Amino acid sequence: AQKVTQAQTEISVVEKEDVTLDCVYETRDTTYYLFWYKQPPSGELVFLIRRNSFDEQNEISGRYSWNFQKSTSSFNFTITASQVVDSAVYFCALSEADSGNTPLVFGKGTRLSVIA
Amino acid sequence: DAMVIQNPRYQVTQFGKPVTLSCSQTLNHNVMYWYQQKSSQAPKLLFHYYDKDFNNEADTPDNFQSRRPNTSFCFLDIRSPGLGDAAMYLCATSRDMRADTQYFGPGTRLTVL
Repeated sequence: AQKVTQAQTEISVVEKEDVTLDCVYETRDTTYYLFWYKQPPSGELVFLIRRNSFDEQNEISGRYSWNFQKSTSSFNFTITASQVVDSAVYFCALSEADSGNTPLVFGKGTRLSVIA
Repeated sequence: DAMVIQNPRYQVTQFGKPVTLSCSQTLNHNVMYWYQQKSSQAPKLLFHYYDKDFNNEADTPDNFQSRRPNTSFCFLDIRSPGLGDAAMYLCATSRDMRADTQYFGPGTRLTVL
């Protein structure tokens, strides 16, 4: 069965600090996709990244970077030089391409508060 | 530029009074989803349409129904809202089913009095 665990419920950092949000997943499929979404206080889920299981290359997009490690079943998300606008709930999610009845399985989310 | 639109953004209804939430998309995606999200929880999938094929999650209450009259629009009907149905309702779309990126609308926050 597919499962996503975000062990950090809430994180608070001071502006300009770096912060890493952890995501650990479970799946039996060899082909799967991992996602991160941001949910600011307005409520909309904003897509950040999609990564397939065959691509372990780390990705950087501005202040955001993602570290995918199949050996530890982790897909961690780092925000460098955090800003107040980064305050949101961040969800990691998994979709199995070969099996599974649920299109997208979410973790419980990590609430990030960036303090000025 | 809006791709997934939900109306209204805020909806107040009375206990037991039917309510309809709407979602439209300009992406021409095949799949449309409805999620329920309660405070401090992850979104929970209620059902989805692949084109006209309707798929209900096993634990979605019968009180929740959906309609998709065409590719662009999808509706969520709550026949007799209870206090426990107060939540954010999120609509999402994707081009295809498995593993495709889902794009979400801004959500409708439902209050039940």
